[in-house]
Amino acid sequence: EAGVAQSPRYKIIEKRQSVAFWCNPISGHATLYWYQQILGQGPKLLIQFQNNGVVDDSQLPKDRFSAERLKGVDSTLKIQPAKLEDSAVYLCASSFQQNTRNTEAFFGQGTRLTVV
Amino acid sequence: AQTVTQSQPEMSVQEAETVTLSCTYDTSESDYYLFWYKQPPSRQMILVIRQEAYKQQNATENRFSVNFQKAAKSFSLKISDSQLGDAAMYFCAYRRLQGAQKLVFGQGTRLTINP
Repeated sequence: EAGVAQSPRYKIIEKRQSVAFWCNPISGHATLYWYQQILGQGPKLLIQFQNNGVVDDSQLPKDRFSAERLKGVDSTLKIQPAKLEDSAVYLCASSFQQNTRNTEAFFGQGTRLTVV
Repeated sequence: AQTVTQSQPEMSVQEAETVTLSCTYDTSESDYYLFWYKQPPSRQMILVIRQEAYKQQNATENRFSVNFQKAAKSFSLKISDSQLGDAAMYFCAYRRLQGAQKLVFGQGTRLTINP
């Protein structure tokens, strides 16, 4: 079974530029998460989708971050314009179904973003 | 809001010995999940072990076991017979049972294995 795929693995941009990250979850997984992991910290949820609907985006900086999940499969996270403090690893994860007792989240390898 | 605290930024252990990583959490809910994840330099989060709060028995997975103290809101990970491949960042995480099931992570503990 293929895992969660993310691209690119690394990205370096200048501040005020825009960037986009792509995630392809495990086939059949209805729930998709984007986490931001700043160096030296644990991951923090940015947004959670159930199919193509947003479940939780309370910690997404909506003035500069946006995300979509068209057709309930792939997802794209965009930052525009980027700030220095956006330098982090962006992790995508997916799980089979929400509101079940035994649902494990599987993570991709993340995208390391450096804003200079 | 739920919080997870890992008070040990770094730990080290000799190969083949036992090490315990600490985690405390805060929640007002009675049923939830707790997890330990391993993050090697590849950055991919790998699930090590899971504990359901309604189960009194501590979870075990081969060399990994937990000490779950629900009343004290403590959830420590014990790694027995440490191996060089165990070296990584370890994150404790909490997840609600109902509603939006995001993982709430602690700050992480960097584990070094000395040969």
